Amino acid sequence: DAEITQSPRHKITETGRQVTLACHQTWNHNNMFWYRQDLGHGLRLIHYSYGVQDTNKGEVSDGYSVSRSNTEDLPLTLESAASSQTSVYFCASSSTGTGVTGELFFGEGSRLTVL
Amino acid sequence: QKEVEQNSGPLSVPEGAIASLNCTYSDRGSQSFFWYRQYSGKSPELIMFIYSNGDKEDGRFTAQLNKASQYVSLLIRDSQPSDSATYLCAVKGVSGSARQLTFGSGTQLTVLP
Repeated sequence: DAEITQSPRHKITETGRQVTLACHQTWNHNNMFWYRQDLGHGLRLIHYSYGVQDTNKGEVSDGYSVSRSNTEDLPLTLESAASSQTSVYFCASSSTGTGVTGELFFGEGSRLTVL
Repeated sequence: QKEVEQNSGPLSVPEGAIASLNCTYSDRGSQSFFWYRQYSGKSPELIMFIYSNGDKEDGRFTAQLNKASQYVSLLIRDSQPSDSATYLCAVKGVSGSARQLTFGSGTQLTVLP
């Protein structure tokens, strides 16, 4: 079955370190997204991509970067982790025809703690 | 900047009752509206979507949309304890950055046995 996987599922790091969260999907979806979820804020969009070599900033992109070198993967990098980036991170994907349903398929989430 | 507002709750209803979840949005250009359910510690999953004014029913779930009032709701009939979750409203535009979903902060629902 097609799926979307994130790794690591849990990560503890120190302020100032670089961290990369991996996201891999086997849906063959063109669209991929990174959200963070914090209590009281719901899901907020960090970065998104509509295809290979395409990346776009979302609502809360400062301090984060992504790259899309193939269809399956969209890694999220925190260049210099800050305590404010402690959160649960969700990767999601959708097909190009998402204009029809808008359905996002989510990974299981990565819980990041920055000390 | 799109805004999507939901009552954070928590909302508690007895088993068998109707649970009513509400959502308002600020962008009049929004075209598509979605309800996701998220169990504690899990990822969100789509349960309903609606594009046109009026009601859309799927089993025990009914989504209601009023574009003039910029209001979308989700009714859950015959609520079950397994419906206890956080419900996220999401809104989608048609062009540019509005094409991706904007989520509300969610309403936590508890169905009491």
